[in-house]
Amino acid sequence: DGGITQSPKYLFRKEGQNVTLSCEQNLNHDAMYWYRQDPGQGLRLIYYSQIVNDFQKGDIAEGYSVSREKKESFPLTVTSAQKNPTAFYLCASSIQNSPNSYEQYFGPGTRLTVT
Amino acid sequence: GENVEQHPSTLSVQEGDSAVIKCTYSDSASNYFPWYKQELGKGPQLIIDIRSNVGEKKDQRIAVTLNKTAKHFSLHITETQPEDSAVYFCAAGQGGKLIFGQGTELSVKP
Repeated sequence: DGGITQSPKYLFRKEGQNVTLSCEQNLNHDAMYWYRQDPGQGLRLIYYSQIVNDFQKGDIAEGYSVSREKKESFPLTVTSAQKNPTAFYLCASSIQNSPNSYEQYFGPGTRLTVT
Repeated sequence: GENVEQHPSTLSVQEGDSAVIKCTYSDSASNYFPWYKQELGKGPQLIIDIRSNVGEKKDQRIAVTLNKTAKHFSLHITETQPEDSAVYFCAAGQGGKLIFGQGTELSVKP
């Protein structure tokens, strides 16, 4: 059963704690992305990675960190430096270097609540 | 950088009517324009997309049109059904990066 999995679905943390969100894909996609979604808003790009061991900042990278040690995994750490971490976090992946390289497919999301 | 504006923010139609959602973008280099449907509490699902070398694309009850000169594109849903109720997002991109619109909450009343 192929797809993108994110875990957990709901996550609760106390302010000041770092938290890591998991994203795994078995689609053999080269690129992976992290987006943040706030109520009534569109998706904003946090980080993306087009190849293993390489990643680039998106539009709102401050307070977040990522790693891409394996092709199928792209974990996101929300650090204590992120001022408003409560949000719905979405991971996506796409094939690179093909005519359809722009098609991004999303996971089910993780809703993070920080109090 | 790219900026995408999406209208309307909410849209209510009667079952069987058509629904149209419009987006404008700012970066003329954008060459890929997908549309996503997001149901409550779930991740967005790609429903249709269009590339800059095509003016229109249709898939059953869903169609997308692109006007590169005016830098706008639209989603058309015909014969709407209650299960079409969701939030729809447009996006514009190039080189694998996408910029999303703010979303349209579509409600189809039976």
